[in-house]
Amino acid sequence: DGGITQSPKYLFRKEGQNVTLSCEQNLNHDAMYWYRQDPGQGLRLIYYSQIVNDFQKGDIAEGYSVSREKKESFPLTVTSAQKNPTAFYLCASSMALSWAAGELFFGEGSRLTVL
Amino acid sequence: DQQVKQNSPSLSVQEGRISILNCDYTNSMFDYFLWYKKYPAEGPTFLISISSIKDKNEDGRFTVFLNKSAKHLSLHIVPSQPGDSAVYFCAASEAGGGADGLTFGKGTHLIIQP
Repeated sequence: DGGITQSPKYLFRKEGQNVTLSCEQNLNHDAMYWYRQDPGQGLRLIYYSQIVNDFQKGDIAEGYSVSREKKESFPLTVTSAQKNPTAFYLCASSMALSWAAGELFFGEGSRLTVL
Repeated sequence: DQQVKQNSPSLSVQEGRISILNCDYTNSMFDYFLWYKKYPAEGPTFLISISSIKDKNEDGRFTVFLNKSAKHLSLHIVPSQPGDSAVYFCAASEAGGGADGLTFGKGTHLIIQP
């Protein structure tokens, strides 16, 4: 079945360590996104990519990095520069840039906890 | 500044009754609105959407109403069922496309009581 796969589902990190969250989609979607969810908060955009080898910063990109070497993959690295990395991270993709044509499809999420 | 506001963090409704979730927005450039449903430790799933050229869109038990002049939309669920207990996010996109994704509200936790 088509969908978005995020891994790992749960991840623990010591302070000062970088971690990479995986996101793979087989929906043949061009656009991919990373959101962060904190308790009582909405989904905040970290990075997005409309096409391979191109990505843009979202609202809260500081302390994060991404790559888009393949259409199917959009990994997110949480660096040690991110001051408050403990959160639930959601990867999403969409078929088209025009929202009249579709909506975001989300993965199951990855919960990162900094010890 | 929050452009999409869901002012009720939680809402409790009796099973079988109508659930009404509200959402306000401030950006007049928004022209496409969506509702997502989210269970704990899962990704949100798309529920229903509405374009600004409409004032109502219905899909089974779910209806979304849009009042552009008031910059307000609402999601009606009738009748409410136990499986509807979840967090509901309102989201919006600007005219011409949403290359940078959607703008989300903070969510409303709907609790359906037996």
